[in-house]
Amino acid sequence: GNSVTQMEGPVTLSEEAFLTINCTYTATGYPSLFWYVQYPGEGLQLLLKATKADDKGSNKGFEATYRKETTSFHLEKGSVQVSDSAVYFCALIISNDYKLSFGAGTTVTVRA
Amino acid sequence: GAVVSQHPSWVICKSGTSVKIECRSLDFQATTMFWYRQFPKQSLMLMATSNEGSKATYEQGVEKDKFLINHASLTLSTLTVTSAHPEDSSFYICSARVDRVSDTQYFGPGTRLTVL
Repeated sequence: GNSVTQMEGPVTLSEEAFLTINCTYTATGYPSLFWYVQYPGEGLQLLLKATKADDKGSNKGFEATYRKETTSFHLEKGSVQVSDSAVYFCALIISNDYKLSFGAGTTVTVRA
Repeated sequence: GAVVSQHPSWVICKSGTSVKIECRSLDFQATTMFWYRQFPKQSLMLMATSNEGSKATYEQGVEKDKFLINHASLTLSTLTVTSAHPEDSSFYICSARVDRVSDTQYFGPGTRLTVL
């Protein structure tokens, strides 16, 4: 089956620190990969995505590269801000199956 | 664009009563809507997939008679939790897909259900 494993939180950082959230996947087909973010009190928002190997998704200073050889899609940001405090979910979808499979989510707290 | 709303945002009900949650796509037509359940500090669990004009497809282990889904139009899907019990208390989230070839889902803000 399809599954996503992401690093457990919570993660607490100081402002301007480097953030990495690891995400690995197993999939029966060839997936598209996503990072969704859930800010406090809000719904999930698509942060970035990549649809094929070696693609790099980027948005709001966050980046993630689709690594087929290591089945990974790690999320990175070079300098976090307090406003980046949220829960981050890694997810995948198989092209012929529209169902999103989510990781457990990683809570990130950035302190001023 | 691509805004999905849910109503109500929170609801408290007595055990044994039924609760209806609405999911609307505000500025686009959604061929497919999805219903998820999120437990505290856990990931989203897909409950069912709802296609406009057809019966919902439920995931394994989800009681279709317990969680009634109606996708009445291209902009509205409803989830009714029938004869709710305290164990049904959870955060229910819907999402919508713009078309059948899109892999991007747009999520509603969620509905917090508390059953007393």
